[in-house]
Amino acid sequence: AQSVTQPDIHITVSEGASLELRCNYSYGATPYLFWYVQSPGQGLQLLLKYFSGDTLVQGIKGFEAEFKRSQSSFNLRKPSVHWSDAAEYFCAVGGSDYKLSFGAGTTVTVRA
Amino acid sequence: SAVISQKPSRDICQRGTSLTIQCQVDSQVTMMFWYRQQPGQSLTLIATANQGSEATYESGFVIDKFPISRPNLTFSTLTVSNMSPEDSSIYLCSVDLGDTQYFGPGTRLTVL
Repeated sequence: AQSVTQPDIHITVSEGASLELRCNYSYGATPYLFWYVQSPGQGLQLLLKYFSGDTLVQGIKGFEAEFKRSQSSFNLRKPSVHWSDAAEYFCAVGGSDYKLSFGAGTTVTVRA
Repeated sequence: SAVISQKPSRDICQRGTSLTIQCQVDSQVTMMFWYRQQPGQSLTLIATANQGSEATYESGFVIDKFPISRPNLTFSTLTVSNMSPEDSSIYLCSVDLGDTQYFGPGTRLTVL
């Protein structure tokens, strides 16, 4: 069975500081990996995805993520956080059956 | 990506009643999905809805409680039947495009 673990429930970061959100997955084959962001009262927006190829993927809003097969990880990073990045971030894993399994989410608070 | 809309955006319902949620997408898609996001929780897949076939439900979800229709390639409905306060959640539809799921804005349901 596929699963996702996001170890950090809540992260507080200062505006302008770097951000890293952790994601570990369990999947029997080559996974499809995703990061979504959910702002308060909004639906989910896709930040980036990894299917194959270059293990460092670039997404929208200045985010990037690195796939590390040996560590079963797909951590999300941003070099400099803006106040508008305050939101909840979900890591998800899927495969050939098109079903997604989501992590519990990490809430990011940005302080001035 | 796709433009996905949901109706209603929110509703407050009485115990024992039913609510039908609509999901409309601006392009033809084969696979649509329905998720539930309980308060403060992550997303859980309810069912997969492919046009021309019966919906496939995940463990813990049954057709009598969550009947789904998929009359064409751009539209689907999810009904939450005989509601109880435990059904208070955000319900989201998504579509698969190129092995990536894109989400609607969600329907926030409160059951009194």
